[in-house]
Amino acid sequence: DAGVIQSPRHEVTEMGQEVTLRCKLISGHNSLFWYRQTMMRGLELLIYFNNNVPIDDSGMPEDRFSAKMPNASFSTLKIQPSEPRDSAVYFCAILSRDRGYYGYTFGSGTRLTVV
Amino acid sequence: AQKITQTQPGMFVQEKEAVTLDCTYDTSDQSYGLFWYKQPSSGEMIFLIYQGSYDEQNATEGRYSLNFQKARKSANLVISASQLGDSAMYFCATLTLTGNQFYFGTGTSLTVIP
Repeated sequence: DAGVIQSPRHEVTEMGQEVTLRCKLISGHNSLFWYRQTMMRGLELLIYFNNNVPIDDSGMPEDRFSAKMPNASFSTLKIQPSEPRDSAVYFCAILSRDRGYYGYTFGSGTRLTVV
Repeated sequence: AQKITQTQPGMFVQEKEAVTLDCTYDTSDQSYGLFWYKQPSSGEMIFLIYQGSYDEQNATEGRYSLNFQKARKSANLVISASQLGDSAMYFCATLTLTGNQFYFGTGTSLTVIP
């Protein structure tokens, strides 16, 4: 995950609090994806950006979720107010071309626990 | 939308043996890529192997090989000489060239037994 750095690695928060997850790209990329992973639902695409513009946010579960990509090297996913059912691992990923084909590079993920 | 099916929620294999993890996909696209990712207990997603839909030869990466049967829409991962460190979740995924979104299967949990 040398190209994608997520912070924090772990976050524990109380229900009702605002949570901000961060994704930093070592070198700018055109496409960035936010995923949520739970045991029940597996990997779910929440939103993706192309050229810093949100293209498809149909996976964002509720208005409590919002995402921004102010520049090609940084993105945030915010949950306000958080709820226990938001507990999951959140990944950001970039699409890049390497060795002649496109592929995903994932960040290491943020494990969110809402109590 | 794509549909990726991994029918084996859990698999066990003896250390040093080979194991095959199944993956079938459903797509109407002519051009697509097939990927396998490994997710160990630490949580990170690790790219393992890629197969292009027009590649005639099966992809190989070290101990990983992909048994690609295009007509059957099957892309099984073969791990040879299993090691204890191979114990992890394994996800099959597709990417169409008409879009830039991945579709993931539900994963297979592999446990390597000493």
